[in-house]
Amino acid sequence: GQNIDQPTEMTATEGAIVQINCTYQTSGFNGLFWYQQHAGEAPTFLSYNVLDGLEEKGRFSSFLSRSKGYSYLLLKELQMKDSASYLCAVSHNNAGNMLTFGGGTRLMVKP
Amino acid sequence: DSGVTQTPKHLITATGQRVTLRCSPRSGDLSVYWYQQSLDQGLQFLIQYYNGEERAKGNILERFSAQQFPDLHSELNLSSLELGDSALYFCASSVLSTSNYGYTFGSGTRLTVV
Repeated sequence: GQNIDQPTEMTATEGAIVQINCTYQTSGFNGLFWYQQHAGEAPTFLSYNVLDGLEEKGRFSSFLSRSKGYSYLLLKELQMKDSASYLCAVSHNNAGNMLTFGGGTRLMVKP
Repeated sequence: DSGVTQTPKHLITATGQRVTLRCSPRSGDLSVYWYQQSLDQGLQFLIQYYNGEERAKGNILERFSAQQFPDLHSELNLSSLELGDSALYFCASSVLSTSNYGYTFGSGTRLTVV
């Protein structure tokens, strides 16, 4: 089976840096995704990691360690609009390669 | 606009009823996925179709069924509705049967069962 853990809630200050962690246990690992979801809206794609290391994309970076079953999403220069849920999702190459999502981390950015 | 179209956006219905949710995938995408998101819950995978064929099944209740039509749109049928079925239902699509290229999500259908 698959098990994905991430903190339920986090709070950070505008302009600061925040790191959202995700640990997973899965068979047939085939990549890890991060999505952003504002309340009541569709998730939107942020990043994809399949190899170990850091992927940087503007203010957002994502890191993966396959041996540790660990990933994090790093958000720099936080803005109020970054207040949202951040979903960690694992792709596994069995039964259709669908994504299994963690419960999401609700990030609140304060002035 | 993500290119994935879901209708209706909102649906209010009574317990015991049956509803159909519709999804048109992004142009060129052959794979459709359905997810359920209850209040303050994560996205729960229901079912996947690829080019008209069922590819994977998650924790989908027997009261729920889905299909993908030749024009690649998909419908999710929910029957004998219960209060606990109230949730956001998302459809997502991808180019291939693999999720490695990521999904594109529709804006969802909010179902309220009263």
